[in-house]
Amino acid sequence: QVQLQESGPGLVKPSETLSLSCTVSGGSISSSYWSWIRQPAGKGLEWIGHFYTSGSPNYNPSLRSRVTMSLDTSKKQFSLKLNSVTAADTAVYYCAKENTWSLDYWGQGILVTVSS
Amino acid sequence: DIQMTQSPSSLSASVGDRVTITCRASQTVSTYLNWYQQRPGKAPNLLIYAASSLQSGVPSRFSGSGSGTDFTLTISSLQPEDFATYYCQQSYRTPRTFGQGTKVEIK
Repeated sequence: QVQLQESGPGLVKPSETLSLSCTVSGGSISSSYWSWIRQPAGKGLEWIGHFYTSGSPNYNPSLRSRVTMSLDTSKKQFSLKLNSVTAADTAVYYCAKENTWSLDYWGQGILVTVSS
Repeated sequence: DIQMTQSPSSLSASVGDRVTITCRASQTVSTYLNWYQQRPGKAPNLLIYAASSLQSGVPSRFSGSGSGTDFTLTISSLQPEDFATYYCQQSYRTPRTFGQGTKVEIK
C-alpha cells in the first residue's frame, strides 16, 4: 500500500519561496507520475503539475513561471518549489500519485499560509 | 485548458436516495474522466477512473458513465458516509482540470 506524506514549513512570508517535500513509502518511486495539487480554504482543487520519474515535468500554465518540481529517488521523495508567493498561494497542498491517468494515492495534505 | 463544469453545485438528499451528479467538459476528454470524494478535512479519494471503472475498495453503489463531453456519477442508495463533496477531473490533456465540486448534504 503506497503512502504519501507531505512535509515543509506551514508559514511562508510574501515574496519568498514555498518548499514542500513528499515522501513515498510502501512502493516504488519509479515508473509513475508524481503530482502536486492545492486547495484554498473552502474552494476547489487546482492541479499544479506532475512529472514522470524519467521525464520532464509538466506544469500548470497559470503557475509555470514560478514552479519547480524535482525528484530524489535515493530518498524516495519528490519536491515542489513555488517562488514569489502571495496570499493567493495560501492553501492545503497535496502530493499524489497518478496511475492509469487517475490520482489513486494522495497525501493527507499540508496547510501552507502565506503571511508576514 | 479544458473546463469541467459540474451540476448541481450542491444538493440535499436523504439516506437511501438515488443521487446523480453530472460533469460536462468543454471539449472531448474521451473516457479520461475520474471522480473523487472528499470529506471535510480529508484528502480526496478516487472513486471512479476512466469514466466507469470502480476503484478497488469502493462500494458498488457508486457508478460512473459517459464519454466525450458528458459524464455522470450515480450513488444508487445514499449512505450516511456518502455526505461529502464530489469532484470530476479530466486526465485527457494537461493541465489536468477539476470540476468545481458538488456538495452532497443531508436533507
